[in-house]
Amino acid sequence: AQSVSQHNHHVILSEAASLELGCNYSYGGTVNLFWYVQYPGQHLQLLLKYFSGDPLVKGIKGFEAEFIKSKFSFNLRKPSVQWSDTAEYFCAVFISSGSARQLTFGSGTQLTVLP
Amino acid sequence: SAVISQKPSRDICQRGTSLTIQCQVDSQVTMMFWYRQQPGQSLTLIATANQGSEATYESGFVIDKFPISRPNLTFSTLTVSNMSPEDSSIYLCSVEVSAQQYFGPGTRLTVT
Repeated sequence: AQSVSQHNHHVILSEAASLELGCNYSYGGTVNLFWYVQYPGQHLQLLLKYFSGDPLVKGIKGFEAEFIKSKFSFNLRKPSVQWSDTAEYFCAVFISSGSARQLTFGSGTQLTVLP
Repeated sequence: SAVISQKPSRDICQRGTSLTIQCQVDSQVTMMFWYRQQPGQSLTLIATANQGSEATYESGFVIDKFPISRPNLTFSTLTVSNMSPEDSSIYLCSVEVSAQQYFGPGTRLTVT
């Protein structure tokens, strides 16, 4: 079965610092990759996604992620974080194999940005 | 895209009772999913519900505890049966459109 690993459980940064959140998955076939964000008290929102093509994808609010197939990774980056980026971030992998279609989530990374 | 609504948004229930959560989508979708997000944890898939067939449950989840209905292509319900405090969680409905999943706002359930 596929799995998704997020290595950082809690990241604390000061405003303007750069961010990189790690995400690795275990599945050898074709995948679609997502980062979701959950702001305090709000529901999940899609931050960005990768289906195919350019492995560097840009999302909302200045976030980007790079798909490195050889490393089974899809790390999330932002050059300069803001206080409003404080949220929980989830990496997810979608696999379609035969009749099975499933989205598997990582354990999440809580980002706290200090003003 | 898809817009999903859930009812109720939150509830406080007594141990041993059952709660049915409704999920409504603004378009017809083949696959609907029910997730659970326990406090401080990630999302765990409970089951996949396709219209016209029995729901498929993930390991650790059973139909007697989480019966699901899928009467048409825009609606589904999840019932949390015989609740215990361990069922306190956020329950989310999700749909897949073009290999992308959209999530409802969730139902926050507290069992006392």
